[in-house]
Amino acid sequence: DGGITQSPKYLFRKEGQNVTLSCEQNLNHDAMYWYRQDPGQGLRLIYYSQIVNDFQKGDIAEGYSVSREKKESFPLTVTSAQKNPTAFYLCASSIDRRTFNYTFGSGTRLTVV
Amino acid sequence: AQKITQTQPGMFVQEKEAVTLDCTYDTSDPSYGLFWYKQPSSGEMIFLIYQGSYDQQNATEGRYSLNFQKARKSANLVISASQLGDSAMYFCAMRDGNSGGYQKVTFGTGTKLQVIP
Repeated sequence: DGGITQSPKYLFRKEGQNVTLSCEQNLNHDAMYWYRQDPGQGLRLIYYSQIVNDFQKGDIAEGYSVSREKKESFPLTVTSAQKNPTAFYLCASSIDRRTFNYTFGSGTRLTVV
Repeated sequence: AQKITQTQPGMFVQEKEAVTLDCTYDTSDPSYGLFWYKQPSSGEMIFLIYQGSYDQQNATEGRYSLNFQKARKSANLVISASQLGDSAMYFCAMRDGNSGGYQKVTFGTGTKLQVIP
């Protein structure tokens, strides 16, 4: 079955550490996205990528970094510069940038300890 | 100003009854699209239904229909014959604008629906 796999499901980070969230898709989708979800708020776009080796900042990119070296993979690094990283992170993909029927992963819950 | 507003943080509905989840939006772009997603407690977002701004008829997908009132800028989701498995968070979203070939998608804050047996 095709889909998006996010790992790990739960992640704990110490203050000052960088952590990387994995997102892999086998749907052959060109476009991939990272969203952050906080309680009582909608999803906010962190980064998106429309094609391999290209990515763009979303609304809340500060303190985050991404790479898109392979079509299937779009890892998100939460750096120590992100002051409030505790949140639920969702990765999504779509066939291309014009398609809005996104497929989402099951998310990673990041907690700072 | 909020681009997508969902005014109902939580709602209850009796099993087998219909329920309407409200969504209003704000955009100056003549071309836009409206979506609804379902988020069960497991966390993944599930696409339910889509309505384009130029679509003449309201979108329907099985038990889901989108009540699109363009003049009122509302895009309410109607779930008919509610089932226990419909208990989840529901998000309204809109795509509009155009920045470098990417049309931005904005999500509302969600409505938590609980279906009562």
